[in-house]
Amino acid sequence: LAKTTQPISMDSYEGQEVNITCSHNNIATNDYITWYQQFPSQGPRFIIQGYKTKVTNEVASLFIPADRKSSTLSLPRVSLSDTAVYYCLVGDESTNAGKSTFGDGTTLTVKP
Amino acid sequence: NAGVTQTPKFRILKIGQSMTLQCAQDMNHNYMYWYRQDPGMGLKLIYYSVGAGITDKGEVPNGYNVSRSTTEDFPLRLELAAPSQTSVYFCASRGRNYEQYFGPGTRLTVT
Repeated sequence: LAKTTQPISMDSYEGQEVNITCSHNNIATNDYITWYQQFPSQGPRFIIQGYKTKVTNEVASLFIPADRKSSTLSLPRVSLSDTAVYYCLVGDESTNAGKSTFGDGTTLTVKP
Repeated sequence: NAGVTQTPKFRILKIGQSMTLQCAQDMNHNYMYWYRQDPGMGLKLIYYSVGAGITDKGEVPNGYNVSRSTTEDFPLRLELAAPSQTSVYFCASRGRNYEQYFGPGTRLTVT
């Protein structure tokens, strides 16, 4: 399984763009990348998914370089309500079909 | 669409007791997961299932058992509860685009 590494914490201010990078050096060819947001006392919530290049939806963008050894979640113009823990997840579809392992997450704190 | 539901929301167990955490989803997803999350930590995979009748161990399976007799239900059984199993337990199911949908969690305390 691909191990993921993220910064433990990040601070930002309202209105700024935030980029959170996840390293997954031993990602396999068939693995997919997903990102989740978790508020205290709640289950994680899916944000975005990608395999390569760039993906954008109504809340975030995901940038994946050609070698796929990392991925960057981009949150445009954050607000106080974006304060949460963000997890990158690399799902193993090659040798352990269906198995997935979360990293330790990045705690994002947005300040006024 | 209720999504993923979990019962109970809270439970206190005495050491050595057993219980079953219930999880159900109404999205017809084949893949389902059980995670535990200790305070201030990330999620650890306990067991997962790729379809009815098929289950496999995750990172931390010791002390737990699962079954998957239907697509909808994926119960987690704790036998001989220990204080180390005090945690929040999340069940999830996975959609076609690899996105996981999580339930609200069960907060378990073993004393």
